[in-house]
Amino acid sequence: QQQVKQSPQSLIVQKGGISIINCAYENTAFDYFPWYQQFPGKGPALLIAIRPDVSEKKEGRFTISFNKSAKQFSLHIMDSQPGDSATYFCAATLVSSGSARQLTFGSGTQLTVLP
Amino acid sequence: DTGVSQDPRHKITKRGQNVTFRCDPISEHNRLYWYRQTLGQGPEFLTYFQNEAQLEKSRLLSDRFSAERPKGSFSTLEIQRTEQGDSAMYLCASSLGILLETQYFGPGTRLLVL
Repeated sequence: QQQVKQSPQSLIVQKGGISIINCAYENTAFDYFPWYQQFPGKGPALLIAIRPDVSEKKEGRFTISFNKSAKQFSLHIMDSQPGDSATYFCAATLVSSGSARQLTFGSGTQLTVLP
Repeated sequence: DTGVSQDPRHKITKRGQNVTFRCDPISEHNRLYWYRQTLGQGPEFLTYFQNEAQLEKSRLLSDRFSAERPKGSFSTLEIQRTEQGDSAMYLCASSLGILLETQYFGPGTRLLVL
């Protein structure tokens, strides 16, 4: 029950539009939900994160909406820009028995923002 | 640059050969993670170090894989008798280990096994 499901696989948005990426999880023990952004040839970089006791978190143009009862969370990118074109991963994490905070990633969404 | 660094960035090897990758974490970070990322997928956890102790290993980490972190600084990941299925991006991440830790990823080592 470690899986995190992410959709859509790819997304094309016009400049200035809203990009929405959705994720769902099964394991209710997850206690932290970060989103990562990855550009080609680079490692993932933390974008924004949320705890399950919060329903929404906003940082600049990026907002996470969290629905604990539905076990779903989503990333909204407002006023999308061509520079936002990247692969976005949702993730979920918990502290495991060996004290690691393993990240369980979704399969990724390739976002293309057209100029 | 004080971020996580990995070396080499790319490695091409023949099936059956051994390869070793190196990760240099952010200097004050005591936690170090290795992940594997295949094309079109998210990274998958391989193993975790707290200082020099390897505290967790994923079931993905077969006995052909070994990782070390001597003196709690840099880490190495070795793959023995490589197989074509080992072709992937190997990512290293480090963190400070505070309550809701942020893991900082390196650029990865892309391995191609021919």
